[in-house]
Amino acid sequence: AQSVSQHNHHVILSEAASLELGCNYSYGGTVNLFWYVQYPGQHLQLLLKYFSGDPLVKGIKGFEAEFIKSKFSFNLRKPSVQWSDTAEYFCAVNEPGSARQLTFGSGTQLTVLP
Amino acid sequence: EAQVTQNPRYLITVTGKKLTVTCSQNMNHEYMSWYRQDPGLGLRQIYYSMNVEVTDKGDVPEGYKVSRKEKRNFPLILESPSPNQTSLYFCASSWADSYEQYFGPGTRLTVT
Repeated sequence: AQSVSQHNHHVILSEAASLELGCNYSYGGTVNLFWYVQYPGQHLQLLLKYFSGDPLVKGIKGFEAEFIKSKFSFNLRKPSVQWSDTAEYFCAVNEPGSARQLTFGSGTQLTVLP
Repeated sequence: EAQVTQNPRYLITVTGKKLTVTCSQNMNHEYMSWYRQDPGLGLRQIYYSMNVEVTDKGDVPEGYKVSRKEKRNFPLILESPSPNQTSLYFCASSWADSYEQYFGPGTRLTVT
């Protein structure tokens, strides 16, 4: 079965610091990759997605992620975080054609200090 | 406005008292799914439905039932809730040929 690992459970940064959140998945074939964000008290929103093509994908709010197939990774980055980026971030993976669709990581709580 | 709605948003109940959490989407999505979110475990899929009258188990289906009689609705039923079902529940939907899911606002359930 597919599994997704997010190694950082809680990250604390000061405003303007750079962010990188790790995500690794287990499936060796073609995958679709997602990052979702959950702001406090809100539902999950899609930050960005990768299906194919350029492995560097850009999402909303200045986030980007890089797909490295050889490392089974899809790390999320942002050059300069803001207090409003405080949220929980989930990496998710899908095997194309899978009826089960998304498998989520355990999430990373990001706290940005003003 | 395109959205997924869930009701109720908050529910406190007692062990063994049957309850239903409703989920409705207005985007004509074929696919609908229920997840539970627990600290340190992320989101785990309970049940999903590829279309009307087509449902299947996810990773953690024990203690839950679903039905899909209409395309827009996908209720989650707990026939005899137990304290280990205390969790935050999310409904999601998507088009059949899309892997991008839209999530509802969540239902926080407490079973005492």
